[in-house]
Amino acid sequence: NAGVTQTPKFRVLKTGQSMTLLCAQDMNHEYMYWYRQDPGMGLRLIHYSVGEGTTAKGEVPDGYNVSRLKKQNFLLGLESAAPSQTSVYFCASSSTVQEETQYFGPGTRLLVL
Amino acid sequence: GQSLEQPSEVTAVEGAIVQINCTYQTSGFYGLSWYQQHDGGAPTFLSYNALDGLEETGRFSSFLSRSDSYGYLLLQELQMKDSASYFCALIYNFNKFYFGSGTKLNVKP
Repeated sequence: NAGVTQTPKFRVLKTGQSMTLLCAQDMNHEYMYWYRQDPGMGLRLIHYSVGEGTTAKGEVPDGYNVSRLKKQNFLLGLESAAPSQTSVYFCASSSTVQEETQYFGPGTRLLVL
Repeated sequence: GQSLEQPSEVTAVEGAIVQINCTYQTSGFYGLSWYQQHDGGAPTFLSYNALDGLEETGRFSSFLSRSDSYGYLLLQELQMKDSASYFCALIYNFNKFYFGSGTKLNVKP
């Protein structure tokens, strides 16, 4: 039982490049989330999904797209990376019957030059 | 919109008790959760209040007062390993979290 895993752990991009971050969970959770965390700040919700095939915008969705083609996977895409997207990205999942707990992945550190 | 306020940094001595406050300006949330995050690590769940009052989980307790728009996390018998950042989070529909900016706790010998 790996919980929530994220790929890659670290990535350096040049401005304008694209990339996809992969999140996978093996807990059969319905809900999944993507956050970004900047130095000295809390986590801000980018996008979330309440089930396979569904996605919705969070607090800071601009510049990102997501897809949830399979229940266990949630992908975060950056079509044209900008230096302002340098951050640590966390994926999380949650059960419909346990509202207080989100299980987080280890994070992906992204540097955009 | 939501507004969550936490102190940015707190320092305490090993073995002491420390309280981290969280004040908010919002309504319509289901509950207040607390998460711990060590440097370079992922946030992990500590405590949750769906209703007003005190919830105790070992050395950690959390309190919520909806009438005062206020909550706190209480850490007792502080240990060096408790040095970390602590985040309060309001919970909304679909288990969406809105996080505070975090409190860095420094535990000194």
